[in-house]
Amino acid sequence: GESVGLHLPTLSVQEGDNSIINCAYSNSASDYFIWYKQESGKGPQFIIDIRSNMDKRQGQRVTVLLNKTVKHLSLQIAATQPGDSAVYFCAESSQGGSEKLVFGKGTKLTVNP
Amino acid sequence: EPEVTQTPSHQVTQMGQEVILRCVPISNHLYFYWYRQILGQKVEFLVSFYNNEISEKSEIFDDQFSVERPDGSNFTLKIRSTKLEDSAMYFCASSEGRTDSPLHFGNGTRLTVT
Repeated sequence: GESVGLHLPTLSVQEGDNSIINCAYSNSASDYFIWYKQESGKGPQFIIDIRSNMDKRQGQRVTVLLNKTVKHLSLQIAATQPGDSAVYFCAESSQGGSEKLVFGKGTKLTVNP
Repeated sequence: EPEVTQTPSHQVTQMGQEVILRCVPISNHLYFYWYRQILGQKVEFLVSFYNNEISEKSEIFDDQFSVERPDGSNFTLKIRSTKLEDSAMYFCASSEGRTDSPLHFGNGTRLTVT
């Protein structure tokens, strides 16, 4: 069935280090993937998205990698800053767009100064 | 930067009462959504809305739930007879289109049913 899950519930890094947050999905029909950041008391904030016809996409300090063979998605954050501390969710859709996103449980990233 | 706004930020209600959660989506967006997040759990899809009708809904969105766009700016979620298990954060979201358009979320309404 459709499910999106995360390998690690928490990740702690030092300021300036690179962070990698992983996500596994099980629906082979998934064709659109999004990473969201959620700070305490706020709604999910869009970070970056990727379609299944791509395997890598870069944004400002962030890179998303998609491995469809093993149904794995990762978010890389370069030079992690204290402001990056938040819960990160991956989400997927098998309907070609944002409708009916399936979210993972989240990884809490803590950046230590 | 335009944002999705939700009111109230926190709603406390007694079991069996009706609640209406309100949202103002981003003005040029055409697709509207409600998601919920029970404490410590995943964000779950409830319903999507386009062109003044529901386009998709989940099994959570049963007959006690309804959505409405009463005017050109508001988008509401009504829960007719709240249950204890309806306690959650309810997020409204909107997007410009259906494809290549990420969802923009509001900061949520925390609903507490006592």
